[in-house]
Amino acid sequence: AQKITQTQPGMFVQEKEAVTLDCTYDTSDPSYGLFWYKQPSSGEMIFLIYQGSYDQQNATEGRYSLNFQKARKSANLVISASQLGDSAMYFCAMREPNSGNTPLVFGKGTRLSVIA
Amino acid sequence: DTGVSQDPRHKITKRGQNVTFRCDPISEHNRLYWYRQTLGQGPEFLTYFQNEAQLEKSRLLSDRFSAERPKGSFSTLEIQRTEQGDSAMYLCASSLTPDGGPTYEQYFGPGTRLTVT
Repeated sequence: AQKITQTQPGMFVQEKEAVTLDCTYDTSDPSYGLFWYKQPSSGEMIFLIYQGSYDQQNATEGRYSLNFQKARKSANLVISASQLGDSAMYFCAMREPNSGNTPLVFGKGTRLSVIA
Repeated sequence: DTGVSQDPRHKITKRGQNVTFRCDPISEHNRLYWYRQTLGQGPEFLTYFQNEAQLEKSRLLSDRFSAERPKGSFSTLEIQRTEQGDSAMYLCASSLTPDGGPTYEQYFGPGTRLTVT
């Protein structure tokens, strides 16, 4: 079974608007970490934001926020005030259990295109 | 510190040839990971090292693949007798985990794109 599901292969957003990228996950481990990475056309994976399963508050990093709904097993990424430079592939990933030993499991990604 | 670097950035090889990729992690990062990313997919874990010890290997890592991190710094990934199905982006990532402590993010390099003809 897929651990990470990203149902939106592609998304379009107008510059300066907000956009939500969906991510649902599957785990029975109470300890897990959720990550979002951005991959521009250059290929490098850029870390954006992290949410631990025990964290009480939703994570925020500048224009990025993570809408963490534990009961629904969703960890959607919200990008506010989109910029042209936000156009890229976005990957949701999970680490379970949430320890330093565990590699990441990635979803298939969502391609975001920001329109001027 | 300039981040994780990988060499070469692109490699084209003929089926049956051996190839070797290098990854230089961020200085002092004790963990180093290799992932493979095929077109339209997210990265998939291959193997990882803590210092010079290879601690885990994915079932994706067939016996044609071997990885080393001899001095706990840079790492190499070798693919022997390449097949067309090996065509992919090979990503390296590193992280710093104090003994017994958690780590949060892995820092990725730009990847090596392999094309097997």
